[in-house]
Amino acid sequence: GENVEQHPSTLSVQEGDSAVIKCTYSDSASNYFPWYKQELGKRPQLIIDIRSNVGEKKDQRIAVTLNKTAKHFSLHITETQPEDSAVYFCAPAGGYQKVTFGTGTKLQVIP
Amino acid sequence: DAGVIQSPRHEVTEMGQEVTLRCKPISGHNSLFWYRQTMMRGLELLIYFNNNVPIDDSGMPEDRFSAKMPNASFSTLKIQPSEPRDSAVYFCASTLTGESDTQYFGPGTRLTVL
Repeated sequence: GENVEQHPSTLSVQEGDSAVIKCTYSDSASNYFPWYKQELGKRPQLIIDIRSNVGEKKDQRIAVTLNKTAKHFSLHITETQPEDSAVYFCAPAGGYQKVTFGTGTKLQVIP
Repeated sequence: DAGVIQSPRHEVTEMGQEVTLRCKPISGHNSLFWYRQTMMRGLELLIYFNNNVPIDDSGMPEDRFSAKMPNASFSTLKIQPSEPRDSAVYFCASTLTGESDTQYFGPGTRLTVL
């Protein structure tokens, strides 16, 4: 099955700084690369995604970059705010919607 | 749309009892997923259905767990008999495979087995 790793597992940044979370995967058939945000006590929700034919996608303060050759994709958050504090999951998916969630990265933004 | 609906939201039961969790996916979605989340094991995919057919149940921990999807608007996850180690938050998610792969999660069911 797919082997998915996220780094780092925890990340603390000062408000206003940038945060980067990296996800590596093993299945070369993966073609969909989303990031989900889960606030404490709530459900995971999609914040940004990218498909295999695109290298980068940006949505305001968040961006995702994909390197299919190296089999990794990253989440970038700029100008971090306290409300960005949450657990972030990558979840690469391939054929037949086989999806594997990463172990999660707990981001803490310090005011 | 009301989103993915799960019931109950909280369930407290005693070891050995049967537990049934329910999920109503978003209307029109054709894939449904059951996940279990714990601090120790993170978010685990248990089983997923496409067009009401189970595609991959390799994540189901053991025979005590079973899942059904009798129609496009309803799915159940049953644990019988339940054990304390089954205590977790169980999420259901749905998506429209082939159009958008975004998974929409329900609010989850927090299960406590005493």
